[in-house]
Amino acid sequence: EPEVTQTPSHQVTQMGQEVILRCVPISNHLYFYWYRQILGQKVEFLVSFYNNEISEKSEIFDDQFSVERPDGSNFTLKIRSTKLEDSAMYFCASRGQGMSQETQYFGPGTRLLVL
Amino acid sequence: SQQGEEDPQALSIQEGENATMNCSYKTSINNLQWYRQNSGRGLVHLILIRSNEREKHSGRLRVTLDTSKKSSSLLITASRAADTASYFCAPTMNSGYSTLTFGKGTMLLVSP
Repeated sequence: EPEVTQTPSHQVTQMGQEVILRCVPISNHLYFYWYRQILGQKVEFLVSFYNNEISEKSEIFDDQFSVERPDGSNFTLKIRSTKLEDSAMYFCASRGQGMSQETQYFGPGTRLLVL
Repeated sequence: SQQGEEDPQALSIQEGENATMNCSYKTSINNLQWYRQNSGRGLVHLILIRSNEREKHSGRLRVTLDTSKKSSSLLITASRAADTASYFCAPTMNSGYSTLTFGKGTMLLVSP
């Protein structure tokens, strides 16, 4: 069964460094999402992406964050200058188009630790 | 998007028992999805129920939806230790970008 994959599974970085989290959505999906979950807290929406542009973003998704679909398969989340509070689990999700494809499928996540 | 609120926050049962968890939401929806999250892992989609459906089954899962009360329930029958996880509902208002907003979930513990 097709699945969303994410790399790396764990990332440790120093405060102020840039990180890029990578996701490979399910191949025929058209909508892509990033969520994050700080330890012990709720899963929070960051951004959605459709037709090569951001379609919706939350207040969390400030200028330090960016997303890109550099080729036909990858979907990336970049944090330009990481802060301690960016430490969290980051989940990518994707879904197809149309009424029969409303389910969002999540990847296993990347655990980011900012020191 | 809107957030669903799950109830109870925690549920502890024995293997073989049924587990019922509830979800309430505030405004009209297009569909409602249930997800499971094992500790520290990704979210696994369980079932989607549309606003024009009242009940749906998938294996040991039974979901109901009452749009007049703006509530949904998830029943897991004959629970197993492997069902131990947090369960979240995600009501979706439209089928556009369909951003999901998660609540705190129900933490289910199934003891052998």
